[in-house]
Amino acid sequence: QVPWVASGGGVVQPGGSLRLSCTASGLTFTSHGFHWVRQAPGKGLEWVAFIWSDGSRKFHADSVEGRFTVSRDDSEGTLYLQMDSLRVEDTALYYCTRDRGRVYLDAWGQGMLVTVSS
Amino acid sequence: HSALTQPRSVSGSPGQSVTISCTGTSSDIGVYKSVSWYQQHPGKAPNLMIHDDIQRPSGVPDRFSASKSGNTASLTISGLQADDEADYYCCSCVGGYSWVFGGGTKVTVL
Repeated sequence: QVPWVASGGGVVQPGGSLRLSCTASGLTFTSHGFHWVRQAPGKGLEWVAFIWSDGSRKFHADSVEGRFTVSRDDSEGTLYLQMDSLRVEDTALYYCTRDRGRVYLDAWGQGMLVTVSS
Repeated sequence: HSALTQPRSVSGSPGQSVTISCTGTSSDIGVYKSVSWYQQHPGKAPNLMIHDDIQRPSGVPDRFSASKSGNTASLTISGLQADDEADYYCCSCVGGYSWVFGGGTKVTVL
C-alpha cells in the first residue's frame, strides 16, 4: 500500500510555477520530517528538500535554492513543494519520502512527473 | 557536496554474489555519516534495503548485506535472483542538513 496520495505534476513552460502535494495515507505525519527527492529521465536520484517535523526549519539543495520551497500542513497531513522559476533541467519525477532521524528515508511516494518545456 | 561514487553496473549469474561499492570522502561517509541503500526497479519508487550502514529493515531478505570501512560503503547481494535486477543507490546525510546520493548501479542478472 502506497503511503501517500500525490498530486500536482504536469507540464509547464520555463519560468512557470507548479505546486506538488503529497497527502499522508496510513502513515503518521506529525512526528516526522519529510523530503523531496527527484529523478530526471534516465538519471539517478537527487535530493531536493527537507522539512523538520515541526516545520520550523527547511533545507533545499543548491540547485533549487531560492526557487523551490518545501512546506507542510499538519492539519491536512500534507507535504508541499512550491516550484517557481522552473527550468528545463527541473524536468523529473518528484518523490516525497519520510525522514528517519536524518539517517535514512522510507515510505516513498509513487512519484509525480514534472515536465518543463516550451 | 559531490555525489557519492558508485560503479555504473555490475552483473552476475543466478546464485552468485555481487558487491556494489559506494565511495565518499572524509567529509561524508568517512566522518561517521551513516549510509543507506535503496533498490529501484524500473518504473517504481525506490525502496529502502539497508540503513545505519548495515541494518536490514524487516522484510528485506538476508541475502542483502552491507559494510563500511573508511570512506567506502558496500552492498553485497548473495544468491543472486532474477528479481534482484534493479538499480541500487547509496545515500548519506552530509554537511548537517544536506543529503547526497550515489550515481546508481545497475545490477544485471545474466
